[in-house]
Amino acid sequence: AQTIHQWPVAEIKAVGSPLSLGCTIKGKSSPNLYWYWQATGGTLQQLFYSITVGQVESVVQLNLSASRPKDDQFILSTEKLLLSHSGFYLCAWSRTYEQYFGPGTRLTVL
Amino acid sequence: GDSVTQTEGQVTVSESKSLIINCTYSTTSIAYPNLFWYVRYPGEGLQLLLKVITAGQKGSSRGFEATYNKETTSFHLQKASVQESDSAVYYCALGRSDKVVFGTGTRLQASP
Repeated sequence: AQTIHQWPVAEIKAVGSPLSLGCTIKGKSSPNLYWYWQATGGTLQQLFYSITVGQVESVVQLNLSASRPKDDQFILSTEKLLLSHSGFYLCAWSRTYEQYFGPGTRLTVL
Repeated sequence: GDSVTQTEGQVTVSESKSLIINCTYSTTSIAYPNLFWYVRYPGEGLQLLLKVITAGQKGSSRGFEATYNKETTSFHLQKASVQESDSAVYYCALGRSDKVVFGTGTRLQASP
C-alpha cells in the first residue's frame, strides 16, 4: 500500500525567514507528485506538479519554489516567507483518475 | 478557465434526514473532466469519497451518491439519511490526473 508523509506537521515562522516543507511517498515508484495550498477559508490551489525526478512545473506563482531531488520526495521552499504564505499545504500523488493526499502541514507566518 | 462552484459554505442537517450539497462546474481547458467528491473528517486528511469519469454515470460510496450531469454541468452530492459521523468538509473537484480544480468546500454539520 502507498503511504504519503509530510513534515513538519505544523510550523510557526517569522516573516522573511526561510521555509522548507517535505513530502515523501512510499510504495509507489515514479509517482506524479503535487503541492497544494489552502489559505484559511479559501479553496485548495494546485501550486506545483512533478512527473519525474528533477522536473517541476509551476501552476500558481506564490513566491514559492519546489524541487524533486529523489523519486519519492517533493520539497516546497522559499527563502523569504510572506504573511500571505500562511495556510495549509498538502502534498499529493496521482493514479490514473484521481489524486491521493498527505496529512498536510499547517503554516503560520507571523 | 476551469472552476468549481459550491454555493453552500455550511449546511446543518438533522440525523436521519436527507442531504444535498450542490456542485456545478465549468471547464475550458480540460476535455471530458473527471468529477470527484473529497472529504475531510475532523482531525483527518483529505480523502477521496467518490469519483465519476463518464458523463451520465453515478458514483456512490458510504451511502453518498453523485451523478455526472453534463447537460447541467452539475455533480451534486446526495445522501438519503445523514449520520452524525458524516460531519465533515466536502469538496467537489474536477480534473484529470495531473490537474485538479477544487470548489471552496461545504461544511456539513449533522446534528443528533
